[in-house]
Amino acid sequence: AQSVTQPDIHITVSEGASLELRCNYSYGATPYLFWYVQSPGQGLQLLLKYFSGDTLVQGIKGFEAEFKRSQSSFNLRKPSVHWSDAAEYFCAVDLSSNTGKLIFGQGTTLQVKP
Amino acid sequence: DAGVTQSPTHLIKTRGQHVTLRCSPISGHKSVSWYQQVLGQGPQFIFQYYEKEERGRGNFPDRFSARQFPNYSSELNVNALLLGDSALYLCASSLIGGNEQFFGPGTRLTVL
Repeated sequence: AQSVTQPDIHITVSEGASLELRCNYSYGATPYLFWYVQSPGQGLQLLLKYFSGDTLVQGIKGFEAEFKRSQSSFNLRKPSVHWSDAAEYFCAVDLSSNTGKLIFGQGTTLQVKP
Repeated sequence: DAGVTQSPTHLIKTRGQHVTLRCSPISGHKSVSWYQQVLGQGPQFIFQYYEKEERGRGNFPDRFSARQFPNYSSELNVNALLLGDSALYLCASSLIGGNEQFFGPGTRLTVL
C-alpha cells in the first residue's frame, strides 16, 4: 500500500542551527510531493511542492526540499532555524493529478531552543 | 482574497448525534476535499468533490457523507457520532481535482 513515512516524530534544534526533516514514500512511480506546516490549532500551510523538473525546490519562509528518486525521499531543509519555525511539519504525496487525495505522513514536531 | 473558510470553528456533540460541517472554497476553486486529523496524527482523506460530483472517497464508514453545492461550497455530514470521531476536520480547495490544495483552519469536533 502507498505510504508516507516521517521517521522523526519529534526534533529539537537550537535557533540558528540548520534543520533537515526526513520524508520517504512508498510508491512505484513518482508522485506529486508536498510539505505542509501546521501551527497549534491551525490549518495546514503549504511550504513547497514538487511536480517535476529540478529536484531541488524552494519554498516559503526560507525552506527548500530535495527530491531523490533513488531513495524515494523528499527531505525538507532550512539553513538557519528561527524560533517562529516551531510547529508540526507534514510531508504529503498525491498519487495522481486528479484525485485530490493527499496521503500524509504522521508529522514531525519541531521544537526550537533559544 | 479570502482563503478557505470553515464553520463552525468548534463543536461539541454527544454520541449518536449528527453533525454538519461547512466549507467555502477559495473563489474560483471548483474542487473541495475533506480530511480528518486525529490528535497526534497526519490528516486522513475522507472525500473529494469536483464540479459537484464525488471524485474520491477514503476509507471511512457510510456514516460519513458529503455534498457540493452549485457555488462550490461543501458540507460534510457525520451520522451516529462515535467518540472516535473527535478530531479536527479540515477542508481544502483547489482549482482542479488535485495538485495544490489550500487548507482551511478546520473545525474541531469533540464527541462526548
